[in-house]
Amino acid sequence: AQSVTQLDSQVPVFEEAPVELRCNYSSSVSVYLFWYVQYPNQGLQLLLKYLSGSTLVKGINGFEAEFNKSQTSFHLRKPSVHISDTAEYFCAVSRRGNKLVFGAGTILRVKS
Amino acid sequence: ETGVTQSPTHLIKTRGQQVTLRCSSQSGHNTVSWYQQALGQGPQFIFQYYREEENGRGNFPPRFSGLQFPNYSSELNVNALELDDSALYLCASSLAEAGRAQYFGPGTRLLVL
Repeated sequence: AQSVTQLDSQVPVFEEAPVELRCNYSSSVSVYLFWYVQYPNQGLQLLLKYLSGSTLVKGINGFEAEFNKSQTSFHLRKPSVHISDTAEYFCAVSRRGNKLVFGAGTILRVKS
Repeated sequence: ETGVTQSPTHLIKTRGQQVTLRCSSQSGHNTVSWYQQALGQGPQFIFQYYREEENGRGNFPPRFSGLQFPNYSSELNVNALELDDSALYLCASSLAEAGRAQYFGPGTRLLVL
């Protein structure tokens, strides 16, 4: 069975600073990897996904993530955050059948 | 292109009652998945429907059931509501092929008193 660990429950950062949200997964087989963002009182919006190929994946809103198979990680990064990036971010994995297994989430708080 | 829609947005029920939540999938998507997100937690997979059949189920009791209709819309039914069923219920649609991203609706927030 797959599992996902998001290593930080909250990440405070100042506006225009870089940020990294960490995600590690556990699976004995190849998986597909996703990052979603959830703004208050809303559903989840897809930021980016890794299926195969290049290990650096670019997504919406300036976010990118790097797949590292040896470390079973899929960390999310943004070089310069904005106040509007304040939200909760979820890392997720899936295999066949598209069942998503989510981490517990990381709240990103961008301060001015 | 219409995204995933869910109704109602909010719902209050009492323990022991039954509830039905509805979801319309994104245009062109043939698979619907349902998730439960308790406060402060990540979403948990309830089940998935493809071609009107259940296509995978998470660790939820049988009182959680669902339907998918020929137009790919879906319902989630919960019988004998318990206080712990209070959560945000999210519907996601996708294509059936492995690795396809799921696109989520805004959710239905259920409060059980």
